[in-house]
Amino acid sequence: DTGVSQDPRHKITKRGQNVTFRCDPISEHNRLYWYRQTLGQGPEFLTYFQNEAQLEKSRLLSDRFSAERPKGSFSTLEIQRTEQGDSAMYLCASSSQGDSDGYTFGSGTRLTVV
Amino acid sequence: QKEVEQNSGPLSVPEGAIASLNCTYSDRGSQSFFWYRQYSGKSPELIMSIYSNGDKEDGRFTAQLNKASQYVSLLIRDSQPSDSATYLCAVWGFAGGYNKLIFGAGTRLAVHP
Repeated sequence: DTGVSQDPRHKITKRGQNVTFRCDPISEHNRLYWYRQTLGQGPEFLTYFQNEAQLEKSRLLSDRFSAERPKGSFSTLEIQRTEQGDSAMYLCASSSQGDSDGYTFGSGTRLTVV
Repeated sequence: QKEVEQNSGPLSVPEGAIASLNCTYSDRGSQSFFWYRQYSGKSPELIMSIYSNGDKEDGRFTAQLNKASQYVSLLIRDSQPSDSATYLCAVWGFAGGYNKLIFGAGTRLAVHP
């Protein structure tokens, strides 16, 4: 297992377009998290899955954002009608249930909205 | 009040010196604390975890926890230029309904030769 994988690594899109990011967690991890990080800030929580269930969604997440984790494996994060303020690094992390040893992060997807 | 607070820095130290990074948190019920290192343009990498009051050492890194003061610190001994990065403090918290890591804004460390 090579850790948490995220695709694409970079995405440049025009304002108003839809984008979708993918995250493949470590195979034995049943918890999956999405965070967003802007320059000079720490990662901000967006949403959390345990297996296929989305258990929490941050108030930071507008209705333009949606995330799925079909079958409890990989996850996708879609942003509709992108805005320049959506430009950020989108980080995915996974952990085992009951694991209090912190997350393993993927390499992130850098989104630039022009 | 932010849930996890760190000085943004930059903290500049000479090579070979001890770098001291500090973090305070607001949730008294927090039990697990982490330090992540993040190089520019990269994702965070876990370097230390601490759960009990006192010190925990791992190589050149020492994490210190004082739950009564709601304070966590990271000491880096014999600092090297390769330690230059942003250090993120993270606390396992219950804000909003489910346990998740809550991050500070990070402290930028610069180690100069």
